[in-house]
Order: sequence, then C-alpha cells, then structure tokens
Amino acid sequence: GDSVTQMEGPVTLSEEAFLTINCTYTATGYPSLFWYVQYPGEGLQLLLKATKADDKGSNKGFEATYRKETTSFHLEKGSVQVSDSAVYFCALTGSLPQGGSEKLVFGKGTKLTVNP
Amino acid sequence: NAGVTQTPKFRILKIGQSMTLQCTQDMNHNYMYWYRQDPGMGLKLIYYSVGAGITDKGEVPNGYNVSRSTTEDFPLRLELAAPSQTSVYFCASGEGQGRNQPQHFGDGTRLSIL
Repeated sequence: GDSVTQMEGPVTLSEEAFLTINCTYTATGYPSLFWYVQYPGEGLQLLLKATKADDKGSNKGFEATYRKETTSFHLEKGSVQVSDSAVYFCALTGSLPQGGSEKLVFGKGTKLTVNP
Repeated sequence: NAGVTQTPKFRILKIGQSMTLQCTQDMNHNYMYWYRQDPGMGLKLIYYSVGAGITDKGEVPNGYNVSRSTTEDFPLRLELAAPSQTSVYFCASGEGQGRNQPQHFGDGTRLSIL
C-alpha cells in the first residue's frame, strides 16, 4: 500500500541554519505530495504542495520538489527562524480501501526545534 | 474565520464510558474526515464522509461511529472507551475529491482513557 517515510527526529538547529527534512514515498499511480506543519497545541496546516513530477512547492521560505525518479519530496529552508519550531509531516494522496475518494497518507512527523 | 472547530479540547474518560467528539466546519466543504494521532506516529484515518448522509470507514474504524446529518457537522462517537483509544483526534474538511485539494484541520481533541 501507499506509504510515506520521513527522517527520524527530533532535529535541533540554530537560528539561520539550513534545514533539510527528508521524505520518500511509495505509491501506486501519481499521487499529489504535501508538507503539513503542526505548531504546538494546534492542528495541522498545509505548508506547501506539488501535484506532478518536477513541480516545486514553496511557501514561507520553505521549498520541496517532487522527484519521481527518486520518489522523494524533501523539505528545505535556507535560513530557519525560532518561529519555525514545529512538527512537520510529509503526506501524499492515497486511495481509500473502498476506492473512489482519496485520503491523506502521513509520515510519522519530524519535530524541529530552532534555538536562538 | 472559524474554519474547523472541535470540542472539547481535552477530556479524560473512564474505561467503558462513552462520549461524542464534536466537529463543525463553516467552509461548506463536502468532505470531512476524522484522524487519530498517536505519539510518534502519523495520522491514521478513522472515518470519512463525502457529503451529508454518507459516511464510510477509514483505516482504523473499530470502536468508533460517525454520523453526518448536515454539511457542517461530523461528530465522532466512542461507545465503550478503551485505553487503546487514548490519542489526539483531529477532524478535517476538504473541498472535494481531487488530488490537488488540501485538507483543513481543527486544533484537535486530546483524549485520555483511564
């Protein structure tokens, strides 16, 4: 079945450091790929998305490129801030067991802490 | 701009008790979902609905029930609470079937079964 594998956390960085969170996936067909972010005590928010191979999603300085050849969607940011501290989830659209509608398949999440 | 609203935010139940987790959205989304998030794990889909009057099982439906009488509301029912149901529950809604459509999440309900 469809699955998402993220790098294990937690990740701790200093402010202005470069961030990479690895994400690889297994899926049938051509899923859309997403990064969601969860700030402490809150629900998940969509950070960025890509819907086809070679698409680059970007938002708030974060970027990720849909790499079909390596089945990857790594999240990057050139200079992190303390306010980026959160849990980051990689996800893809997968088919429900009953067919028809789609669901999101999530990775386990990567906790990022940015220190001043 | 409320979005997806979940109540309560926290709850402690005793084994065997029942309760309903409430979820309301004001975005007129047809699709709604219930997920659970266990520590160190991603979200698992419990139930989903593609419109009023239509619900179906996700990956982990055992021990739960749902209903969808209106577009706005999608409550999740636990009939006989068990310790394995201790988790954080998230409700989400979406604009419809489609590979480009993001889901909008509530802030979650943290549930402990003791």
